[in-house]
Amino acid sequence: GQNIDQPTEMTATEGAIVQINCTYQTSGFNGLFWYQQHAGEAPTFLSYNVLDGLEEKGRFSSFLSRSKGYSYLLLKELQMKDSASYLCAVRRGSTLGRLYFGRGTQLTVWP
Amino acid sequence: SQTIHQWPATLVQPVGSPLSLECTVEGTSNPNLYWYRQAAGRGLQLLFYSVGIGQISSEVPQNLSASRPQDRQFILSSKKLLLSDSGFYLCACKDRADSGQPQHFGDGTRLSIL
Repeated sequence: GQNIDQPTEMTATEGAIVQINCTYQTSGFNGLFWYQQHAGEAPTFLSYNVLDGLEEKGRFSSFLSRSKGYSYLLLKELQMKDSASYLCAVRRGSTLGRLYFGRGTQLTVWP
Repeated sequence: SQTIHQWPATLVQPVGSPLSLECTVEGTSNPNLYWYRQAAGRGLQLLFYSVGIGQISSEVPQNLSASRPQDRQFILSSKKLLLSDSGFYLCACKDRADSGQPQHFGDGTRLSIL
């Protein structure tokens, strides 16, 4: 099976930086994905790491360490609209591309 | 780019009634298709995945079944719904040829069982 752990809730203020951690244990690891999900909506893709290191996409960055089974999502210059649940997902295998999700981290951004 | 259509958006069904949720995709050929369920307070759980017409794999034993009658159509069904089938059902799609591409989700169906 897969053990994917991330904090349940986090809070931060507008303009700040927040780091959401994710740890995992799985076999057949083939990449880690971060999705954003606003209340009542479908998840939307944010970032993807398959090799160790940092991937930067505007205000969002994601880091992966495969040896430690660890990833984080870094959000800079927080805005109110960043209040959402952030989902960490591990992919097993390549062709099938199955994703296994953590329970998500609910981020609340205060003014 | 891929577009994923799911309907209905919301559904209220009595216990013991049948279910059929449909998902169709546009903008891609030979996609991998997936059904997920998100129950209250829980993460997304992979229910079924399909790599082609008539090819269905189940991740967890349950009261549901899936079918893929056409390359771009994926259907989730049940003969008799249980209270525990309530949740947010999401269809996802991935281009099979590109291993680096993420899965993209449809808007989902919110199912309430009474």
